Amino acid sequence: GESVGLHLPTLSVQEGDNSIINCAYSNSASDYFIWYKQESGKGPQFIIDIRSNMDKRQGQRVTVLLNKTVKHLSLQIAATQPGDSAVYFCAENGKTSYDKVIFGPGTSLSVIP
Amino acid sequence: KAGVTQTPRYLIKTRGQQVTLSCSPISGHRSVSWYQQTPGQGLQFLFEYFSETQRNKGNFPGRFSGRQFSNSRSEMNVSTLELGDSALYLCASSRGPSGGNQPQHFGDGTRLSIL
Repeated sequence: GESVGLHLPTLSVQEGDNSIINCAYSNSASDYFIWYKQESGKGPQFIIDIRSNMDKRQGQRVTVLLNKTVKHLSLQIAATQPGDSAVYFCAENGKTSYDKVIFGPGTSLSVIP
Repeated sequence: KAGVTQTPRYLIKTRGQQVTLSCSPISGHRSVSWYQQTPGQGLQFLFEYFSETQRNKGNFPGRFSGRQFSNSRSEMNVSTLELGDSALYLCASSRGPSGGNQPQHFGDGTRLSIL
């Protein structure tokens, strides 16, 4: 398959604290990156994206950082809330529309009230 | 605007049977991709259809097949079901072909259980 999902990393965070979820992507030629949030019983939901010509992009309470040198992506969630509890996936797209989307294994975020 | 709709939500089958899952993409989206999600393997790409043509295929056996209709709705079929096919099957749509600079939008999946 296209995803390596041997085990699911977990992160527990106190409500109100900031969360940082990390992702190592596989292809140095990948050109576009996306973070998805998947709540129990639902499909992945788009959160934020970033192109390879940027190293930072901010949304509402979320920031994505891209480090192409070490092929690393991170998602920062400010003032984490109980509703943020979910599994978070990073995904990478290649430069062409024929490249497959590759998903990371996911990180389970648990917010402690 | 309606999201991606997958039917049925839940399905129980026995080994050896076949199954057809359906996906209606967001209006105006012409690309539909299918993924299999299991606890041990994460999200694995099955195939992608764009304008009724299969553009990409993942590493799954020929028992897994799909098609796309002129209205962009898509179906996937699994024949000769095996216990290991138990999974959540997700459909995702995008306006243009996947890959490139656009996110995919997912449905809530079909939970397939094989007895």
